[in-house]
Amino acid sequence: ETGVTQTPRHLVMGMTNKKSLKCEQHLGHNAMYWYKQSAKKPLELMFVYNFKEQTENNSVPSRFSPECPNSSHLFLHLHTLQPEDSALYLCASSQAGGAGGYTFGSGTRLTVV
Amino acid sequence: KNEVEQSPQNLTAQEGEFITINCSYSVGISALHWLQQHPGGGIVSLFMLSSGKKKHGRLIATINIQEKHSSLHITASHPRDSAVYICAVKRGWGGATNKLIFGTGTLLAVQP
Repeated sequence: ETGVTQTPRHLVMGMTNKKSLKCEQHLGHNAMYWYKQSAKKPLELMFVYNFKEQTENNSVPSRFSPECPNSSHLFLHLHTLQPEDSALYLCASSQAGGAGGYTFGSGTRLTVV
Repeated sequence: KNEVEQSPQNLTAQEGEFITINCSYSVGISALHWLQQHPGGGIVSLFMLSSGKKKHGRLIATINIQEKHSSLHITASHPRDSAVYICAVKRGWGGATNKLIFGTGTLLAVQP
């Protein structure tokens, strides 16, 4: 365990389903991130939250909706996804600005059928 | 062309060999990270560098800011070192941005 916990580890969902991914950290970090990792591609930043405020949305389609109720928890709400959204979704946390490095979760392997 | 390039993309080594993975970048950075990703997906941070050299066990990371190049070395490699090694750079300075740009990774397989 790295200190960043993601659930579920695996998720299979239909294109009409609604599901949520959860990320939790108790490292005292105040920045949290969602990344997408598709096969053969570099990790892509999706969203950044600093002190619960969204500070970056990397042109992510609206079918992905993040939520950060407090500095320790981050959600990614999913609805009407496409098969090409199948990927590994990774959460990370850090101090604001990335000082001291980043801690990653184990990821959620999402398959859209 | 990616802003962060890694080489080689794939590397197979025999147990005990000395391994080098290279990372070149084309942007100004405040820090460079080396990450390890095992099958199953979880990522572990190995090093964060802004200059010089760092060592942790059998792992050594170096960076040359002028050349915009970093290397990750593994001495006395072992099958448990088999993983994807990812280079990532943090652009800019200050707290305003904490965005990482990632390389595509190097898949290392160490055979017994």
